[in-house]
Amino acid sequence: EPEVTQTPSHQVTQMGQEVILRCVPISNHLYFYWYRQILGQKVEFLVSFYNNEISEKSEIFDDQFSVERPDGSNFTLKIRSTKLEDSAMYFCASSGRLASYNEQFFGPGTRLTVL
Amino acid sequence: KNEVEQSPQNLTAQEGEFITINCSYSVGISALHWLQQHPGGGIVSLFMLSSGKKKHGRLIATINIQEKHSSLHITASHPRDSAVYICAVPDGGSQGNLIFGKGTKLSVKP
Repeated sequence: EPEVTQTPSHQVTQMGQEVILRCVPISNHLYFYWYRQILGQKVEFLVSFYNNEISEKSEIFDDQFSVERPDGSNFTLKIRSTKLEDSAMYFCASSGRLASYNEQFFGPGTRLTVL
Repeated sequence: KNEVEQSPQNLTAQEGEFITINCSYSVGISALHWLQQHPGGGIVSLFMLSSGKKKHGRLIATINIQEKHSSLHITASHPRDSAVYICAVPDGGSQGNLIFGKGTKLSVKP
């Protein structure tokens, strides 16, 4: 069964460093999402991506964040200068159609720890 | 913007018990998602439903669009059902971004 994969599973970084979180969505999906979950809190939307551009982004997704689909298979989230409060679980998701009408498939997550 | 409320926040049950988790939301939606988050953190989609009822194995999800309410039921609960169950709805934007409830942490004792 096709699945969304994410690497690395755990990333530890120093404050101020850049990190890139990688995702490989399901191959025929068109809509891609990043969510995050701070420990003990609910999952929050970061950004959606369709047709090679950002569709929507939340207030969390400021200038320190960027997304890219560099090669038609990978979907990356970059945090330019990490802060302590960026420590969270980051989930990638993909959908064949708008999630208003179709389910989203989630990756296993990347746990980011900023020291 | 939609608000999603789940109850209860925590639920402990004995193996074999019938479980009900509730979700209510504030703004009309096209579909509601039930998700399961394993202790390791991974999220699995259980159901997406827009009306009526869906069943998958021992899991049943129902939705009442008029009352803006959905329930997730687990029949004959088992310790392997222990997880966090999350309700999520589209935020009303054009791309179907989801707004999540806080989740219900279920623990099923043998």
